[in-house]
Amino acid sequence: GESVGLHLPTLSVQEGDNSIINCAYSNSASDYFIWYKQESGKGPQFIIDIRSNMDKRQGQRVTVLLNKTVKHLSLQIAATQPGDSAVYFCAESDGGATNKLIFGTGTLLAVQP
Amino acid sequence: ETGVTQSPTHLIKTRGQQVTLRCSSQSGHNTVSWYQQALGQGPQFIFQYYREEENGRGNFPPRFSGLQFPNYSSELNVNALELDDSALYLCASSLVGPSGRGEKLFFGSGTQLSVL
Repeated sequence: GESVGLHLPTLSVQEGDNSIINCAYSNSASDYFIWYKQESGKGPQFIIDIRSNMDKRQGQRVTVLLNKTVKHLSLQIAATQPGDSAVYFCAESDGGATNKLIFGTGTLLAVQP
Repeated sequence: ETGVTQSPTHLIKTRGQQVTLRCSSQSGHNTVSWYQQALGQGPQFIFQYYREEENGRGNFPPRFSGLQFPNYSSELNVNALELDDSALYLCASSLVGPSGRGEKLFFGSGTQLSVL
């Protein structure tokens, strides 16, 4: 599986700017994708999900884009706030019999006031 | 808050011991999954339970076992603890429909296990 040790990719943004967090997935058979936010000492918190029959889905201040051709997923956060500072994980599901999610390595989003 | 609760929040064990972690699923959910999250990494799937039976397993040895109870609560048991078992153990619940496909997983805050 993925292993980057303690050195997560980091995205540093100014408060109020838009953030874009990228993720590459590996399984072309995956048909469900999901973004989680994880704050220190807490479990992953659902942000937004998207199925493979869609290219884009919007939530409150967040947008997920899916490019199946290059197996790429992105999370856009509008008007980033200090409370958005956390580690963000993308995850994919291969459509098998279980609800198994395969998580990426995570990106640390640091919002500067 | 997701409604998924885990206990205990922290636990310290020594190598060779056994541990039981507990999870209470979100109301209305019928499926529970367990994940292991090592420091600085994404969660890794251990196994999933649906209708009290294991219906999916990740790359974990048999000393990792679990149970799901009729009220959809769950336990994760780990025997013969090793140092590398030190991690955050996450429980997640979801509602799986007749098609067998579930929706988003809702995670608890986890149990931080330290093996000395």
